[in-house]
Amino acid sequence: KNEVEQSPQNLTAQEGEFITINCSYSVGISALHWLQQHPGGGIVSLFMLSSGKKKHGRLIATINIQEKHSSLHITASHPRDSAVYICAVEVSLYGNKLVFGAGTILRVKS
Amino acid sequence: DTEVTQTPKHLVMGMTNKKSLKCEQHMGHRAMYWYKQKAKKPPELMFVYSYEKLSINESVPSRFSPECPNSSLLNLHLHALQPEDSALYLCASSQVHNSYNEQFFGPGTRLTVL
Repeated sequence: KNEVEQSPQNLTAQEGEFITINCSYSVGISALHWLQQHPGGGIVSLFMLSSGKKKHGRLIATINIQEKHSSLHITASHPRDSAVYICAVEVSLYGNKLVFGAGTILRVKS
Repeated sequence: DTEVTQTPKHLVMGMTNKKSLKCEQHMGHRAMYWYKQKAKKPPELMFVYSYEKLSINESVPSRFSPECPNSSLLNLHLHALQPEDSALYLCASSQVHNSYNEQFFGPGTRLTVL
């Protein structure tokens, strides 16, 4: 079993829909990161969380430390949101390296 | 300047070639990272440099040789690679290598080994 599990693996949405991507982890963490990767490679850090909720524009990330679960929400989705969304956790036991989930491939159709 | 730059963008090399990948940041970050990413897989950590010293080597084969000549530059020297080493190589940096530090990623170098 992977230490970081994401769901769904693939997600297709219609423009304007509300989208939720989930991340569960099984290890003790010091922080959780949500990353976005567009085709062609570059990775952008969207959020870094250790508790509660953060919001940037149409993106919202929440984390529940007790339940070892985080969600990334996209409101009013747009085709430019199409990308791979990756959840990664920092594990102090592993020298603070990032342990990555497999990613969620999101496609937003117009 | 909040950018991590990587050169070259693309590299094709034969198994007997020697080449180098370069990564640069001018954000004053003292931790720099090399990741390898195969298609449709998440990145895998290769090396971490902290204050210009190698602090993590994830059992990477010796045909990959990292170098951190100063706090802004990180190189990855490649020699005698195998076709299975073809991947996207990503560099990242963070203020320091401890918890709760955002990593800034470069655009990557897409490497093909023939």
